[in-house]
Amino acid sequence: AQSVTQLDSQVPVFEEAPVELRCNYSSSVSVYLFWYVQYPNQGLQLLLKYLSGSTLVKGINGFEAEFNKSQTSFHLRKPSVHISDTAEYFCAVSAGNTDKLIFGTGTRLQVFP
Amino acid sequence: DAGVTQSPTHLIKTRGQQVTLRCSPKSGHDTVSWYQQALGQGPQFIFQYYEEEERQRGNFPDRFSGHQFPNYSSELNVNALLLGDSALYLCASSPLGPGPYEQYFGPGTRLTVT
Repeated sequence: AQSVTQLDSQVPVFEEAPVELRCNYSSSVSVYLFWYVQYPNQGLQLLLKYLSGSTLVKGINGFEAEFNKSQTSFHLRKPSVHISDTAEYFCAVSAGNTDKLIFGTGTRLQVFP
Repeated sequence: DAGVTQSPTHLIKTRGQQVTLRCSPKSGHDTVSWYQQALGQGPQFIFQYYEEEERQRGNFPDRFSGHQFPNYSSELNVNALLLGDSALYLCASSPLGPGPYEQYFGPGTRLTVT
């Protein structure tokens, strides 16, 4: 079975500062990894995904993530955040021949002016 | 190109009642998955439909059932509602094939059980 742990429930940061949101996963088989963002009262929007190939993945809105198989991590980073990045961020994993997603509990990113 | 649409947006029901939520997948997608997102939690997988059949199921009781129509749209039915069923219900669609594919999510239906 797969599981996802998001290590920080809340991350406060000032505008234009860098940020890292941490995600660790557990799986006995090869996995596919995703980061989704959820703005208040909205559904989920895909930020980026790792399926195979390069371990550094670039996504929308200036976000990127690095897949580290030895540390079973998929941390999300942005070099300079904006007020508009304030949202809930979810790390998710799927495995095998299924696209069923297992989500972490989310990290609330709060960007202050 | 319309994305995933869900109806209704909000719903208030009483304990013991039954509810039906609806979802239309993104154009070109034939697989629909349903997730339950309780307040402050990540989404939990309920089940997935393909070719009008339930393909996978998460750890949810039989009170949760679904249906997929020939046009790929889907319904989620919940019987004998409990207070704990209050949540945001998300529908996601994806194309079936060799994969893997990302899932596209709708805006959700907010269900409140009183």
